[in-house]
Amino acid sequence: NAGVTQTPKFRVLKTGQSMTLLCAQDMNHEYMYWYRQDPGMGLRLIHYSVGEGTTAKGEVPDGYNVSRLKKQNFLLGLESAAPSQTSVYFCASSFGAYTEAFFGQGTRLTVV
Amino acid sequence: SQKIEQNSEALNIQEGKTATLTCNYTNYSPAYLQWYRQDPGRGPVFLLLIRENEKEKRKERLKVTFDTTLKQSLFHITASQPADSATYLCAPYNNAGNMLTFGGGTRLMVKP
Repeated sequence: NAGVTQTPKFRVLKTGQSMTLLCAQDMNHEYMYWYRQDPGMGLRLIHYSVGEGTTAKGEVPDGYNVSRLKKQNFLLGLESAAPSQTSVYFCASSFGAYTEAFFGQGTRLTVV
Repeated sequence: SQKIEQNSEALNIQEGKTATLTCNYTNYSPAYLQWYRQDPGRGPVFLLLIRENEKEKRKERLKVTFDTTLKQSLFHITASQPADSATYLCAPYNNAGNMLTFGGGTRLMVKP
């Protein structure tokens, strides 16, 4: 049972480039989340989804887009990367609103 | 605006003592609150969940309290061990938007 898997684990982008981070879960969870974590800032919610085909904005959604075309996958897109988006990105999933969240191992993104 | 506050300064304690971490929240009333542990370079791992109608919850050496009047949760680790050294994150559930949002975390260092 793999749990939550994030791809890639590391990436370096140039300013203005685009990329997509993939999150896959094999637990049949309804809820999925994307967070970013910066030193001293804790986890900040970017976007989340409460089911296949649905997405919603979190605390810091600007500069990011998401899609949940399949229940097991949640994609995070950066259309035009900026140095301010240098961060560690975590994906998480949960069965429902009031249940524990399972996290991926993180993606370290550097924008130069 | 809604705010979650954890002591950003590291908590240093001696092995065998009880560690107490604080989580305060303002401007909302979560139905439940979760605590997670995060080790360097890893994603957070769920520890405990406490509901608004529960004053206290225990799991082995861990104890969580939830005071909805004070808008505060306390997280206790009794008989602490060096292996308990990590960052601990609280997550009061944001009912309004189905969002799982986190405090900045408190780093605990247990010295032998």
